[in-house]
Amino acid sequence: KAGVTQTPRYLIKTRGQQVTLSCSPISGHRSVSWYQQTPGQGLQFLFEYFSETQRNKGNFPGRFSGRQFSNSRSEMNVSTLELGDSALYLCASSEQFNTEAFFGQGTRLTVV
Amino acid sequence: AQSVTQLDSQVPVFEEAPVELRCNYSSSVSVYLFWYVQYPNQGLQLLLKYLSGSTLVESINGFEAEFNKSQTSFHLRKPSVHISDTAEYFCAVRPYNNNDMRFGAGTRLTVKP
Repeated sequence: KAGVTQTPRYLIKTRGQQVTLSCSPISGHRSVSWYQQTPGQGLQFLFEYFSETQRNKGNFPGRFSGRQFSNSRSEMNVSTLELGDSALYLCASSEQFNTEAFFGQGTRLTVV
Repeated sequence: AQSVTQLDSQVPVFEEAPVELRCNYSSSVSVYLFWYVQYPNQGLQLLLKYLSGSTLVESINGFEAEFNKSQTSFHLRKPSVHISDTAEYFCAVRPYNNNDMRFGAGTRLTVKP
């Protein structure tokens, strides 16, 4: 089985721009979660999608949004980028509640 | 809401020495417990998990962790570390009824020759 695939791996954007990150979960996994990892704040939960519906949401501003498609692929969008949005964005997929989450290699976003 | 505290941000040890990485959590609901490992420029890989049953869980590469409900701890141990164990280790908790996984700040394990 292929693992969780995140694209692109690296991205450089300018302040004020918007960005879309993509995540393809493991085949059969319907839950996709997104995390932001920074040296200062560590790993923070952004949101989780299950069957195209946002099921849980972390404490991030509305500039951070996401969606999930019928094939369980998910995208995350950040609008009006700020320097502080520079981070490693990790996507994780899982089958259901009581199983572990499998992580992709992440997208490293740099905002300049 | 749940939270995780990893008591050591950095743990340097010599090769073949034992190591313990400490993790305490708090939660108002029942949770599952996990340890993940992250190598540079990589995502997180599951090391081991506690879902139910025996409170001592083991990984295939010699790590083990013990769930202690009374002390709300899930410390990670290895009796003899290798250079290749050098990485960042994250403890995480997740409620039974949703996928809102919360991570500790991480412990950087550095194994020296």
